[in-house]
Amino acid sequence: NAGVTQTPKFQVLKTGQSMTLQCAQDMNHEYMSWYRQDPGMGLRLIHYSVGAGITDQGEVPNGYNVSRSTTEDFPLRLLSAAPSQTSVYFCASSSPRTGYGYTFGSGTRLTVV
Amino acid sequence: TQLLEQSPQFLSIQEGENLTVYCNSSSVFSSLQWYRQEPGEGPVLLVTVVTGGEVKKLKRLTFQFGDARKDSSLHITAAQPGDTGLYLCAGARLWAGKSTFGDGTTLTVKP
Repeated sequence: NAGVTQTPKFQVLKTGQSMTLQCAQDMNHEYMSWYRQDPGMGLRLIHYSVGAGITDQGEVPNGYNVSRSTTEDFPLRLLSAAPSQTSVYFCASSSPRTGYGYTFGSGTRLTVV
Repeated sequence: TQLLEQSPQFLSIQEGENLTVYCNSSSVFSSLQWYRQEPGEGPVLLVTVVTGGEVKKLKRLTFQFGDARKDSSLHITAAQPGDTGLYLCAGARLWAGKSTFGDGTTLTVKP
């Protein structure tokens, strides 16, 4: 199994540009989440979903949109990139059936100039 | 906001030493996870504990969930350089769909 697949691995954007970070999982997990990780600040939750058609905000949702049309896919959209969004982004999936432990993707390193 | 506090934040030890990392909260969690993250990679799940007082062992790593399900510890026996990494704890509540992460403990094991 591939687990959680994130694309792209690296991206450089100019301020004001928009883009979509892709995330797909093949484990039939109900829950999916997007986190950002900044040096010295741990993982901060951006948005999460408990199932297809259901999304909710995490602690740092401003500037980001998500949708979940299928169980497998959970894309993260940056609406108008800002330098403050320079970070490493991780997508993760989990399930109550497996004790809520996350499987993480390998991350997207985003730089906004 | 449910906070998980990890201590210590940084730990640098010699190969062969023992160490303990703590994860504390004022909130009760349905389950608690420990992850290890290496540079340039995503966190990898090490263990999930769900029952108060539960102890799980993974080779030289011992994980304990507090009786009240508010805290946990990770003990490493005879640390090796391969144990070097960022250790993260995370708490989950039943059906919440998300987890709360601690800020992590950066462990360096010197040969």
